Amino acid sequence: EAGVAQSPRYKIIEKRQSVAFWCNPISGHATLYWYQQILGQGPKLLIQFQNNGVVDDSQLPKDRFSAERLKGVDSTLKIQPAKLEDSAVYLCASSLAWTRGLLNREPGELFFGEGSRLTVL
Amino acid sequence: AQSVTQPDIHITVSEGASLELRCNYSYGATPYLFWYVQSPGQGLQLLLKYFSGDTLVQGIKGFEAEFKRSQSSFNLRKPSVHWSDAAEYFCAADPTQKSSGDKVTFGTGTRLAVRP
Repeated sequence: EAGVAQSPRYKIIEKRQSVAFWCNPISGHATLYWYQQILGQGPKLLIQFQNNGVVDDSQLPKDRFSAERLKGVDSTLKIQPAKLEDSAVYLCASSLAWTRGLLNREPGELFFGEGSRLTVL
Repeated sequence: AQSVTQPDIHITVSEGASLELRCNYSYGATPYLFWYVQSPGQGLQLLLKYFSGDTLVQGIKGFEAEFKRSQSSFNLRKPSVHWSDAAEYFCAADPTQKSSGDKVTFGTGTRLAVRP
């Protein structure tokens, strides 16, 4: 079974430039997550999709970050313009977990890609 | 506020020694609990998870974890560490009931070094 694919693995840009990361989740996984992992910290959720709808984007800096999952499969995360503090590893994950209304959720294992390391100079 | 705490930033053990990594959570209701491992340059891989039932859960690579409700803890253990276990370990919690703002929360991680 193919895992979560991400590209590019590494990207170096100057501040104020733009960058885009791509993620292809495991086939059949309805839920897709983008996490930001700054060096020395745990992953922080940026945005969560269920199929092609946004479940949670409360921690996404919407003035510069955007993400989409148009057909409910692949996803793209964009940063424009980038700042120095955006230097981090961007992890994509997918899971079978789904939200059943507001009261109950089915938890699921998150399957992570290898990440895209961004350096902003 | 909901949180996951890993008090130990860095731990070094000798190969063959036992290991315990600490994790504490702060949630209104007991969340689903996970341990993930991250090797250098890699994504995170699930070691084990606790949803309900038996409070001692077994995972991959010889790891186990014990859920203790009274201590709000979910500590990871391994009886004999191998050099290949050197990595970063993350504890995570997922709320059992969805409400606005709830999401999977990761601890800050514990980096494990193994002495030969």
